[in-house]
Amino acid sequence: DQQVKQNSPSLSVQEGRISILNCDYTNSMFDYFLWYKKYPAEGPTFLISISSIKDKNEDGRFTVFLNKSAKHLSLHIVPSQPGDSAVYFCAASARGSNYQLIWGAGTKLIIKP
Amino acid sequence: EAGVTQFPSHSVIEKGQTVTLRCDPISGHDNLYWYRRVMGKEIKFLLHFVKESKQDESGMPNNRFLAERTGGTYSTLKVQPAELEDSGVYFCASSQDVGRGYTFGSGTRLTVV
Repeated sequence: DQQVKQNSPSLSVQEGRISILNCDYTNSMFDYFLWYKKYPAEGPTFLISISSIKDKNEDGRFTVFLNKSAKHLSLHIVPSQPGDSAVYFCAASARGSNYQLIWGAGTKLIIKP
Repeated sequence: EAGVTQFPSHSVIEKGQTVTLRCDPISGHDNLYWYRRVMGKEIKFLLHFVKESKQDESGMPNNRFLAERTGGTYSTLKVQPAELEDSGVYFCASSQDVGRGYTFGSGTRLTVV
């Protein structure tokens, strides 16, 4: 039973355009959501997060949107750059779960020149 | 500051053998986590140490897996005896406070043949 789902295994976007990565969750107890970026042969690197009390968080080119009623979050990257090509993981945690992260399966983002 | 270091980066062992993975967290980080990613699927929590104590080991698959963190510094994860389904990438992460985002190591790719 996957509590965090990333339904797109891969996504190809033209350089300079917007990349939108999606994530759905089922557990209404999740109160914190994170996006990690992973390059081959490296560990995941924290990118951006959002608390359930917010619906948007922005950091430079990266914006995360949270729609609690739909149990959906998305990561927007604008403009997309070649260095953004990586696997992006969505993760969630619930207060009281010892902040254990529950992860999606990842989406491979390919930025085309 | 040195990051989270994992050793070895790759390990290929035969079914039935024993393997020990090591993780050196960032100095001063009391919290240490082990995660595993199997065959391109989602990353799954294994366990969480606070200093030398196991805070949460609910993700450990079975008693073939033994994690230790002597003296609250580095941690080892031993698999004995290894089975084919144990193949995957084992990630270690650490954080100063229990919380939301932590620093990952590059992972150990374990292949059981």
